[in-house]
Amino acid sequence: QKEVEQDPGPLSVPEGAIVSLNCTYSNSAFQYFMWYRQYSRKGPELLMYTYSSGNKEDGRFTAQVDKSSKYISLFIRDSQPSDSATYLCAMSFRGGYQKVTFGTGTKLQVIP
Amino acid sequence: GAVVSQHPSWVICKSGTSVKIECRSLDFQATTMFWYRQFPKQSLMLMATSNEGSKATYEQGVEKDKFLINHASLTLSTLTVTSAHPEDSSFYICSARDPNSGGSSTDTQYFGPGTRLTVL
Repeated sequence: QKEVEQDPGPLSVPEGAIVSLNCTYSNSAFQYFMWYRQYSRKGPELLMYTYSSGNKEDGRFTAQVDKSSKYISLFIRDSQPSDSATYLCAMSFRGGYQKVTFGTGTKLQVIP
Repeated sequence: GAVVSQHPSWVICKSGTSVKIECRSLDFQATTMFWYRQFPKQSLMLMATSNEGSKATYEQGVEKDKFLINHASLTLSTLTVTSAHPEDSSFYICSARDPNSGGSSTDTQYFGPGTRLTVL
């Protein structure tokens, strides 16, 4: 069993739709939870960062962490074609000091 | 957020040659940098942790004599793939922790743009 499970997609939605991306994980020691966006042949770009459980909102993006269920989500409202990318969930034990464990990424396509 | 750069962005080399990839933190000093590898349609996997002034720590299964890491300064870490072979072709990405983060702010790693290595 992988430490972090993420549906690879691809996920196609029409412009303006609400997108829901999810990951599950197995190690309850993870404390820091991130979502990265990666365009083709580029490095990951940090989108959202959450420490422990809870919700965090930033513009059109909302991240949710449910540690009791070992489940994290990213919601994108009013999706745009420019949101088309691969979204990687990621987590770590000690913030930036230690390795980040990534999901396999979900490829999202927003159709105009 | 913090900015991390890599050079080159793309390199092609012949089998048996060595390739050096540079990772720089542009606007902060990084005592720790990380090297990841990403194969097509797979996620990033940590190869090694690079510590300024000391030896790198390699993940299980990563050959330290093949992937040489040097973190000679607080803004530069290099990864040298020695005697590269076609199976080493991959996307290599470095990251660094911004030491100004932590506490309630974003305590995570910032990633470089990656280096695509193709070994013929």
